[in-house]
Amino acid sequence: DAGITQSPRHKVTETGTPVTLRCHQTENHRYMYWYRQDPGHGLRLIHYSYGVKDTDKGEVSDGYSVSRSKTEDFLLTLESATSSQTSVYFCAISASGTEGPGYTFGSGTRLTVV
Amino acid sequence: GIQVEQSPPDLILQEGANSTLRCNFSDSVNNLQWFHQNPWGQLINLFYIPSGTKQNGRLSATTVATERYSLLYISSSQTTDSGVYFCAVNTGGFKTIFGAGTRLFVKA
Repeated sequence: DAGITQSPRHKVTETGTPVTLRCHQTENHRYMYWYRQDPGHGLRLIHYSYGVKDTDKGEVSDGYSVSRSKTEDFLLTLESATSSQTSVYFCAISASGTEGPGYTFGSGTRLTVV
Repeated sequence: GIQVEQSPPDLILQEGANSTLRCNFSDSVNNLQWFHQNPWGQLINLFYIPSGTKQNGRLSATTVATERYSLLYISSSQTTDSGVYFCAVNTGGFKTIFGAGTRLFVKA
């Protein structure tokens, strides 16, 4: 990985419990993103950040919140996990929001809500 | 919002064959990226290509922004090329939209 790590890699949690996923980068990139990947839906943007404490919603943000208190860390929180949030979650980073060289993805977190 | 369509959805090749994957998009885009997701789930950035042609080894990509499509060429395919290929487009702002992908299987 190009300086981006996600933790945990796998997690099983119970319905109704809060869950926090962490994305950590060492590239000092300004932009960070959380996506979820589900069969039949591809990759969908949950939230993104364009700087410390600057975040905004993506296309599937309901039930999720994010925080970015440091350049290197972007946290995704499921306030009260539901079975529909069972998915693979990917974090991505980019140096620019709209210019090259594009995204670098983390290895993903497989979350199962039972 | 913008629609991103990839074709074909599935592709099976014999090792050594060439292939072309297509990505059509319904609106003007600021940039376009191609990714490969390997069988272990890792997403690798192949190309950042808002327009023109780029090559990287056996892979090359062409984007014709005025006609709203991009092509990914894989030559002399290898079993390690198997996986899912995604195109992703940005129409402005910070949101990038992904297509549904082309699933490629290369037989030895």
